[in-house]
Amino acid sequence: EIVMTQSPATLSVSPGERATLSCRASQSVSSNLAWYQQKPGQAPRLLIYGASTRATGIPARFSGSGSGTEFTLTISSLQSEDFAVYYCQQYNNWPIFGPGTKVDIK
Amino acid sequence: EVQLVESGGVVVQPGGSLRLSCAASGFTFDDYTMHWVRQAPGKGLEWVSLISWDGGSTYYADSVKGRFTISRDNSKNSLYLQMNSLRTEDTALYYCAKAVWSGYSPFDYWGQGTLVTVSS
Repeated sequence: EIVMTQSPATLSVSPGERATLSCRASQSVSSNLAWYQQKPGQAPRLLIYGASTRATGIPARFSGSGSGTEFTLTISSLQSEDFAVYYCQQYNNWPIFGPGTKVDIK
Repeated sequence: EVQLVESGGVVVQPGGSLRLSCAASGFTFDDYTMHWVRQAPGKGLEWVSLISWDGGSTYYADSVKGRFTISRDNSKNSLYLQMNSLRTEDTALYYCAKAVWSGYSPFDYWGQGTLVTVSS
């Protein structure tokens, strides 16, 4: 079974700064990788799929990159509404989520 | 506007049964694979099950295989999860989610979830 890991577990960032989140798969998932944002008390929201394609309505400050086993989500300039937990998910076969990275205010 | 509304979550004793429902609207329900995903309190996301557009194919996470059954009624735009032999570790918020495409897929719409608590 594929294992997804994310780092760091918590990322403290000041508003306006850049945030870089990492996701690693234990074996290649090609580009079948999605990123979700989850705020407290809310359902997850799809941000990125296909490793780098923004979902409908997602601002351009969110970008994804990578393929195979190493992936990155970059938020170019953090806004107040971006403080949340971010999950990666592989869908190369049965969906498996990473443990999440919490982005909080520095 | 796509809407997914889950219901049926309650407090149930270990070994008990429960059926969750998800009412879908705003899209052509019978065109899409649907999923259940759960989240234990304060924890991450865990995929539970999927069902193909016509109900002909169903798949389950190992943690629920043999205990949970996913089904759908396309005439009612509804998704279901029958949960039997419940365990304390099944305590979670259960989300229904719409797949972007058939087969292995990300999820583009989620409901707000229904809370299942398994406790004596």
